[in-house]
Amino acid sequence: RKEVEQDPGPFNVPEGATVAFNCTYSNSASQSFFWYRQDCRKEPKLLMSVYSSGNEDGRFTAQLNRASQYISLLIRDSKLSDSATYLCVVNGVSGTYKYIFGTGTRLKVLA
Amino acid sequence: DTEVTQTPKHLVMGMTNKKSLKCEQHMGHRAMYWYKQKAKKPPELMFVYSYEKLSINESVPSRFSPECPNSSLLNLHLHALQPEDSALYLCASSPPEGLAGGRGTGELFFGEGSRLTVL
Repeated sequence: RKEVEQDPGPFNVPEGATVAFNCTYSNSASQSFFWYRQDCRKEPKLLMSVYSSGNEDGRFTAQLNRASQYISLLIRDSKLSDSATYLCVVNGVSGTYKYIFGTGTRLKVLA
Repeated sequence: DTEVTQTPKHLVMGMTNKKSLKCEQHMGHRAMYWYKQKAKKPPELMFVYSYEKLSINESVPSRFSPECPNSSLLNLHLHALQPEDSALYLCASSPPEGLAGGRGTGELFFGEGSRLTVL
């Protein structure tokens, strides 16, 4: 089993739709959680960190469920520019700097 | 624009060549990383340097040899590579954990990558 797993998609959704991605992780000692976005042939960029209480940034909402070891990302009112691969990233025990990427989920927002 | 600079952007090498990838950051980050990314796959962690010391080696073959000459520079020396080593090599850096009330930012700042082709 991979350390961090995601549904690879692709998710094809119309503009304006709400779409949700899940990510599961195997190491229960994991401390930090993030969502990154990667455009085609570009480097990954941080979309948002995921906090225990859940957090929101504009149209994006991230949630963490430690008991079930998954994190989620909700995108509301999808835009064409949201088309990208979304990668969840998990860091293990604090201080190890071991950031592991999930398998990634491709999103295509259609006009 | 990324604050992590990688050179070269593209590299083609034969299996007997020796080459190096370079990475530089001036954000004062003390952790630096090499990731390998194949097409349609996520980045795969290779090495982590923390305060210029190698802290993680993810069982990478010895034909890849990392080096951290100082806190701003990270190199990846390549020797006797195989065609399956062709990939995008991403360098990243991150600020120390434990900032901002113990949470740290956790953000990895990536360079644009060096696209390597081994013939």
